Amino acid sequence: ETGVTQSPTHLIKTRGQQVTLRCSSQSGHNTVSWYQQALGQGPQFIFQYYREEENGRGNFPPRFSGLQFPNYSSELNVNALELDDSALYLCASSPHISSYEQYFGPGTRLTVT
Amino acid sequence: GNSVTQMEGPVTLSEEAFLTINCTYTATGYPSLFWYVQYPGEGLQLLLKATKADDKGSNKGFEATYRKETTSFHLEKGSVQVSDSAVYFCALSDPDTGRRALTFGSGTRLQVQP
Repeated sequence: ETGVTQSPTHLIKTRGQQVTLRCSSQSGHNTVSWYQQALGQGPQFIFQYYREEENGRGNFPPRFSGLQFPNYSSELNVNALELDDSALYLCASSPHISSYEQYFGPGTRLTVT
Repeated sequence: GNSVTQMEGPVTLSEEAFLTINCTYTATGYPSLFWYVQYPGEGLQLLLKATKADDKGSNKGFEATYRKETTSFHLEKGSVQVSDSAVYFCALSDPDTGRRALTFGSGTRLQVQP
């Protein structure tokens, strides 16, 4: 059974640019959530997708957007990057929308200069 | 809103020592509670969970009991090993909405010395 995978592992962007991060859910999981983890902090919920629809959003501005595809993979897009967007971005999948258990990928380390 | 408070680290212990990492929470309703562990360079792994009051979650020698009266979910292990060195996060689910977003504490780094 393949776990949650994310790409790329690391990337460096310049302030004002746009970035797309990708996530493949664990096999059989139809729900995906994204989290931002700043250095030395706990992860903060960005949003969740279920059946290709956004199913809840944390306290993040609209320049953070997402997509979920029919195969349950997902993208996180961030426009107009700011220095404070530098963080580890974690994707987590769940077997179904009502499940409390989330399985995390290794994350993408984004650095904005 | 929901929040989780963890004891600050780092916690430094010798091998075979007893471990307690304190976690308290604030939530409306009845959340589920979790402990996640993050090893260096890796994502988070679910360590244990409890879904209702007085439940005890356990895994790999770690235990935590859901105490509604004290709104706590302290993590314990009787004898730590060097391989337990990691960052530990306490988290709760969102009890009042259809989504199962997790609210995390800020994490506690554990360092176990041989």
